[in-house]
Amino acid sequence: GENVEQHPSTLSVQEGDSAVIKCTYSDSASNYFPWYKQELGKRPQLIIDIRSNVGEKKDQRIAVTLNKTAKHFSLHITETQPEDSAVYFCAALTFSGGYNKLIFGAGTRLAVHP
Amino acid sequence: NAGVTQTPKFQVLKTGQSMTLQCAQDMNHEYMSWYRQDPGMGLRLIHYSVGAGITDQGEVPNGYNVSRSTTEDFPLRLLSAAPSQTSVYFCASSNHPGNTEAFFGQGTRLTVV
Repeated sequence: GENVEQHPSTLSVQEGDSAVIKCTYSDSASNYFPWYKQELGKRPQLIIDIRSNVGEKKDQRIAVTLNKTAKHFSLHITETQPEDSAVYFCAALTFSGGYNKLIFGAGTRLAVHP
Repeated sequence: NAGVTQTPKFQVLKTGQSMTLQCAQDMNHEYMSWYRQDPGMGLRLIHYSVGAGITDQGEVPNGYNVSRSTTEDFPLRLLSAAPSQTSVYFCASSNHPGNTEAFFGQGTRLTVV
């Protein structure tokens, strides 16, 4: 089945720096790659997603890049702010057993220090 | 807008007890799923459903049962709770089977002693 690996598990940056989180996936047929942010004690919420027909997508300070050949995708956060501190999860959609399944990485805990 | 509602928010069970975690959504989503969240292991898929009457296993289905009799509800049953099932459980729903934004419930923190 699909396996999604996420690195690093923890990331600490200074306010204003950039942060990059990387994920790799195993199913070459995967075609949808969302990123979720989970603040402490809250539910995960979608922040950005990318489909396999594009290589990059931006939304203000966040961007996601996708390399289908290498089967990896990355989240980039620029000009980090303390409110960016959270756990970030990548995910990949895999098709098995006749249905789609959304498989998540293990998460990255990002700490932004003022 | 209620979105995805899970009950209860907290639960303590004794080993061997059974219980049902409730999940309801009011967005008319066809696709619903259950995940468990453990430290360092992310969100692992337990079971999912692509519509009423259709369910399938995810990554970690053992010890859990599900059913989907209506579009709105997707309960998760623990038949005989074990300490290894101590976790935070999230229910999620999406409009298209997995290919669009998944909306999560607020989670259920379950402790099995």
